[in-house]
Amino acid sequence: EADIYQTPRYLVIGTGKKITLECSQTMGHDKMYWYQQDPGMELHLIHYSYGVNSTEKGDLSSESTVSRIRTEHFPLTLESARPSHTSQYLCASSSRGVPLQYFGAGTRLSVL
Amino acid sequence: QQQVKQSPQSLIVQKGGISIINCAYENTAFDYFPWYQQFPGKGPALLIAIRPDVSEKKEGRFTISFNKSAKQFSLHIMDSQPGDSATYFCAALAGGTSYGKLTFGQGTILTVHP
Repeated sequence: EADIYQTPRYLVIGTGKKITLECSQTMGHDKMYWYQQDPGMELHLIHYSYGVNSTEKGDLSSESTVSRIRTEHFPLTLESARPSHTSQYLCASSSRGVPLQYFGAGTRLSVL
Repeated sequence: QQQVKQSPQSLIVQKGGISIINCAYENTAFDYFPWYQQFPGKGPALLIAIRPDVSEKKEGRFTISFNKSAKQFSLHIMDSQPGDSATYFCAALAGGTSYGKLTFGQGTILTVHP
C-alpha cells in the first residue's frame, strides 16, 4: 500500500545529541517536505525538496538539515539537539503538478 | 505575517449540528485552498480542496464555500458527528511555484458532543 512513513514516532533525547528523523514514501512522489508543528499550533514549513539532490529551506528558520539522495527518502538531522527543538515534525510528499500533499503520522521530539 | 487567518480557535457543536470554520487570506497569488483534518497523534489528512474558479464544492457532509472578492473561504460540516472531533486546518497554495508550498491557518479544534 502506498504510504508515507516516519520513524521514530516518539523520541526523548538529551541536549547535545545528534538525531536523525526518518521519512520514506512509497507513492513515487518527487516532492517532499518537512513541517514543524507545536501542540495546538499551525504547521510551519522548514525544508522542502523538488527531487533527488535538491533541498531548500522553508519559511521557518531551522537548525536542522536535510538530504535527498533517493527519491523515496528524505531524512532530517539535528547535529546537536536543544530543548528549543522540542516539537512535532511532520513529513509530507506530493506529485509534480498536483498540489495535494500527503502527510506522515509525525515524530514527536522531546529534548531534555 | 500570518497570511492565512483562521477562526474560531475552538468550536463546540452538538451532534447533528452544523460546524462552520472560516479562513481569510491576503495573498492574491493563492489559487488552491485545501482543508486538512488532524486527529491527535496523527498527521493531517486532506479533507477537501477548492480552486478559486468555483464558489462551492461539496463532498458528502463537507462543503467549502469560496468568496474570491472577499478573499475568504469556509468549511461547513453538516450533520456533525462525534467522530468529526479533530483539529481542522485551512491552507492556501500559490500557483506558479514548482514545489507547491502550503501556508496553513492556525487551526480550529472542533468538539462534537453526542
